[in-house]
Amino acid sequence: DIVMTQSPDSLAVSLGERATINCKSSQSVLYSSNNKNYLAWYQQRPGQPPKLLIYWASTRESGVPDRFSGSGSGTDFTLTISSLQAEDVAVYYCQQYYTISPLTFGGGTKVEIK
Amino acid sequence: EVQLVEAGGGLVQPGGSLRLSCAASGFTFSRYDMHWVRQATGKGLEWVSAIGAGGDTYYPGSVKGRFTISRENAKNSLYLQMNSLRAGDTAVYYCVRERIETVGLDAFDIWGQGTMVTVSS
Repeated sequence: DIVMTQSPDSLAVSLGERATINCKSSQSVLYSSNNKNYLAWYQQRPGQPPKLLIYWASTRESGVPDRFSGSGSGTDFTLTISSLQAEDVAVYYCQQYYTISPLTFGGGTKVEIK
Repeated sequence: EVQLVEAGGGLVQPGGSLRLSCAASGFTFSRYDMHWVRQATGKGLEWVSAIGAGGDTYYPGSVKGRFTISRENAKNSLYLQMNSLRAGDTAVYYCVRERIETVGLDAFDIWGQGTMVTVSS
């Protein structure tokens, strides 16, 4: 199985400040034939289902504010919220879809307001 | 509006069975790979099963042999038959769509609101 490890488990950031979440995969999720990283980021607000933010590691889903950005390649990835807003309080998950055997998620990172 | 609506959750005794359903609307259901993902209260996300547009199925080891995913394209519906249920299967179960109707894996762009399954005596 590809193990996805997120850090930190939680972080508190002041409004307007930057939040950075890391995700490390136990093996590369970069598919060499198309040079794509099979890595997605999701946001889950309290009481809501997850929402897709980023796919292919760095492509923002339609309608997602541009303060959210994804970066990284191979085994190391980062989700950055450039200027934290109150509505960004949520748990964030990374997911690899490089292999379906099995599909795996990171453990989640809880983002709160300081 | 693209929408997924789950139903069928409830309380079941250990060793029992339950069948979840998911009604899809607003898109051509038959063209998309579909999944079930679960989340125990206060815990993270766990992928449970997948079915391709062509009907091929996939499971993680934790549910293989106990759960069966199926689809009925004429009814725009996805199902999850769960047998030999255990306390560890207690969770909210989400019906999920892959982002693009192409061959190969993709991210999950549409999630239902989920249905709660509780396994307890």
